[in-house]
Amino acid sequence: DAKTTQPTSMDCAEGRAANLPCNHSTISGNEYVYWYRQIHSQGPQYIIHGLKNNETNEMASLIITEDRKSSTLILPHATLRDTAVYYCIVRGNAGGTSYGKLTFGQGTILTVHP
Amino acid sequence: GAGVSQSPSNKVTEKGKDVELRCDPISGHTALYWYRQSLGQGLEFLIYFQGNSAPDKSGLPSDRFSAERTGGSVSTLTIQRTQQEDSAVYLCATARGVGRETQYFGPGTRLLVL
Repeated sequence: DAKTTQPTSMDCAEGRAANLPCNHSTISGNEYVYWYRQIHSQGPQYIIHGLKNNETNEMASLIITEDRKSSTLILPHATLRDTAVYYCIVRGNAGGTSYGKLTFGQGTILTVHP
Repeated sequence: GAGVSQSPSNKVTEKGKDVELRCDPISGHTALYWYRQSLGQGLEFLIYFQGNSAPDKSGLPSDRFSAERTGGSVSTLTIQRTQQEDSAVYLCATARGVGRETQYFGPGTRLLVL
C-alpha cells in the first residue's frame, strides 16, 4: 500500500471548518483513500473513503485532487468532540499478501479549541 | 445494531502468565482483524481471519502469540508467557468481507504486564 504523509498536529477553533491534508504521491490506480480517527482511549472510527471523486457523508467531506496524489478531509463545523488523531490510509485490493489490512501511520493530532 | 465488543476492557497480569483476549464481531461480518497499539505508537496489524480460509498470521510478533476464531464468529487472541513489552491496547476490527470493505473497530483491551 502507498505511504501517506500527514502533518503531525493541527488546531481548529470550534465551529470552524477543519481541513486535514494528506499526501499520497505514490498511490496507484486501484488504491482507495480511507480516513479513520481515534478519539482518546477508544478504537479507531471509520470516517469516509474515496477513489477519485469527492465524497461527502454525515461526518465529513473528502476532496481528492485530480492527480490523486493528495487529499483533504474536511470537518465542516468542528466541535470539541472532534479532537482526535486522524489517520489517512491508502488501501489496495485484498489480493496477494495485503488481505485488506489497514496500515496506520502516525496521523494528525487535531485539537479543537473553544 | 451492536458493534464490535471486546473483553476484558482492561487486564493486568504478571510477567510470565498467559492471557486470553476476546473479540465478538458484528453479526454477519466474516472478516476479523487483530491489531496492537503500544504506548505512543501507531496501530500494527497482527492477524486476519476470513471465513474458513487459513488466517494471515504475518503480523504476529512471536510464537507466544496465537489466535483462533471458532465457528467463524468469536475470536480469541492468546499471549503465552507474557512479557512487559506486550503491554499495549489490543484492538479487534471486523468487516463484511475481504478487500476494501470498511473495518469497524472495537473499544480494545488494555493489557498491562507487570
